[in-house]
Amino acid sequence: KAGVTQTPRYLIKTRGQQVTLSCSPISGHRSVSWYQQTPGQGLQFLFEYFSETQRNKGNFPGRFSGRQFSNSRSEMNVSTLELGDSALYLCASSGGTPGTSRYNEQFFGPGTRLTVL
Amino acid sequence: QKEVEQNSGPLSVPEGAIASLNCTYSDRGSQSFFWYRQYSGKSPELIMFIYSNGDKEDGRFTAQLNKASQYVSLLIRDSQPSDSATYLCAVNYAFQKLVFGTGTRLLVSP
Repeated sequence: KAGVTQTPRYLIKTRGQQVTLSCSPISGHRSVSWYQQTPGQGLQFLFEYFSETQRNKGNFPGRFSGRQFSNSRSEMNVSTLELGDSALYLCASSGGTPGTSRYNEQFFGPGTRLTVL
Repeated sequence: QKEVEQNSGPLSVPEGAIASLNCTYSDRGSQSFFWYRQYSGKSPELIMFIYSNGDKEDGRFTAQLNKASQYVSLLIRDSQPSDSATYLCAVNYAFQKLVFGTGTRLLVSP
């Protein structure tokens, strides 16, 4: 089974621009979560989507948004980029059956390294 | 604010020794706990999960959970240089929201 894929792997943008990152979950997985990882703050939860619905959101400004498509692929968008948005953006998918012990297991993709100049 | 605390390390152990990694969490209602391994420049890789009090063993890895003390640990037996990485403790909250600790860097010397 193919793992989680993320595109692009690397991005360089300038302040004020916007960016869209893409994530394809493991086949059959319907939940996609997004995280931001920085040296200073570690891994922080952005939001989670299940069946095209955002079920949970972290403490990030509204410049960070996402969506999920009917095939479970997900995109996240960051508008008006700031220098502090430079980070590794990770997508994780999970697909266990609700009520089972594996329900909350999340598997990460390779990440997109975003650099804002 | 739900928090997960880990000692940042580095934790240095010789090859063949047992490495013990610890994690505490703030929310008594937490139900599921995960250990991820992250090599430098790579994404986190799930190595263990635990839901019930007590020990769970998988190969050289043992996860231990004590909900009364709000404490999770990971033991790595027969540590190898290839185990050198950052180990992230994560606690699951509603709807696949993981809260991560800052990670413990493990160094295994040959």
